Amino acid sequence: SQTIHQWPATLVQPVGSPLSLECTVEGTSNPNLYWYRQAAGRGLQLLFYSIGIDQISSEVPQNLSASRPQDRQFILSSKKLLLSDSGFYLCAWSAGSYNSPLHFGNGTRLTVT
Amino acid sequence: GQQVMQIPQYQHVQEGEDFTTYCNSSTTLSNIQWYKQRPGGHPVFLIQLVKSGEVKKQKRLTFQFGEAKKNSSLHITATQTTDVGTYFCAAVVRFNNAGNMLTFGGGTRLMVKP
Repeated sequence: SQTIHQWPATLVQPVGSPLSLECTVEGTSNPNLYWYRQAAGRGLQLLFYSIGIDQISSEVPQNLSASRPQDRQFILSSKKLLLSDSGFYLCAWSAGSYNSPLHFGNGTRLTVT
Repeated sequence: GQQVMQIPQYQHVQEGEDFTTYCNSSTTLSNIQWYKQRPGGHPVFLIQLVKSGEVKKQKRLTFQFGEAKKNSSLHITATQTTDVGTYFCAAVVRFNNAGNMLTFGGGTRLMVKP
């Protein structure tokens, strides 16, 4: 069966520090991969999506970036965190068809201080 | 841009009461998905509706897709404390070779008083 791993679960980082969140998927090949952000008590905002290795599309301009160095690995990064980057970051995968549901990781709760 | 609107934003109910959340779009949707996020957890896929007027049930949960495929609802009969969480609808409002670009509604946070 397919599983998705996301780490770390929680992270407290000072403003201006770098960020690296990692997500890996097992049990499937060539998944679509997504990074979402959820502010406290709010909805889900799509940040990045990827249909394949080194194929990344950004939905929202920001100081974050994403990379997909391997088929089942998706990394969210920042060179310098802002206070507004605090939130709950969720990685998700789906199969390739347009109506495939998303399967989310457990999320990373990031607090920028 | 196109949005998927969800109401209400919050709902407090007494245990045993019914609950309904509504999802609306200004344009016709190809399908709609529903997710549940428990407090502190991640969204979990519940169900997908594809056909006009479709109704699906999962125990006490009833999902409907409107005839015009522009709205959907989730109804919970006789809520229990285990139903607490935020319910999101999501729709494919844009599709390209990148796959399903799901847009999520803002969610309805359900709180159940025991």
